[in-house]
Amino acid sequence: QKEVEQDPGPLSVPEGAIVSLNCTYSNSAFQYFMWYRQYSRKGPELLMYTYSSGNKEDGRFTAQVDKSSKYISLFIRDSQPSDSATYLCAMSASGGATNKLIFGTGTLLAVQP
Amino acid sequence: GAVVSQHPSRVICKSGTSVKIECRSLDFQATTMFWYRQFPKQSLMLMATSNEGSKATYEQGVEKDKFLINHASLTLSTLTVTSAHPEDSSFYICSARQGAGYGYTFGSGTRLTVV
Repeated sequence: QKEVEQDPGPLSVPEGAIVSLNCTYSNSAFQYFMWYRQYSRKGPELLMYTYSSGNKEDGRFTAQVDKSSKYISLFIRDSQPSDSATYLCAMSASGGATNKLIFGTGTLLAVQP
Repeated sequence: GAVVSQHPSRVICKSGTSVKIECRSLDFQATTMFWYRQFPKQSLMLMATSNEGSKATYEQGVEKDKFLINHASLTLSTLTVTSAHPEDSSFYICSARQGAGYGYTFGSGTRLTVV
């Protein structure tokens, strides 16, 4: 079993839809949770950074962490064609400088105009 | 914001030759840099973690003699793929971090093709 599971998609939605992206994990030591957006042939770009459980909102993006269920989500409101990309969840057990991130496989999202 | 520059963005080399990829933090000092490899439609696989002035820590299964990592300064880390073979063709991405409590900033990646 992988430490982090993520549905690879592809997920296709119409413009303006609410998108829900999810990851599950098995390591209860994870405390730091991130969502990255990666366009084709580019490096990942940080979207959201959350510590422990709870919700965090930034513009059209909302990140949720439920540590009791080992489940994290990213919601995108009013989705736009420019949101079409691969979304990667990532997590780590501590905030130490050398602590490595464990990534999900990524979900490919296509927002249709 | 934090910016990481990675060069080259794309490189084609002949089998048996070596290729060097540079990763630079432009507006911050990176105490730690990470090197990843990404296969098509797959996630990022961590290859090694490097700290400025010390030897890199390689992940299990990564050949340290084949993938040479140097982190000689707080703003530059290099990955050299030695004696490259077609199976080394992949997308290589670096990430830099200023320190504990800071985020991970990624470079734009290098597409390596070995022919």
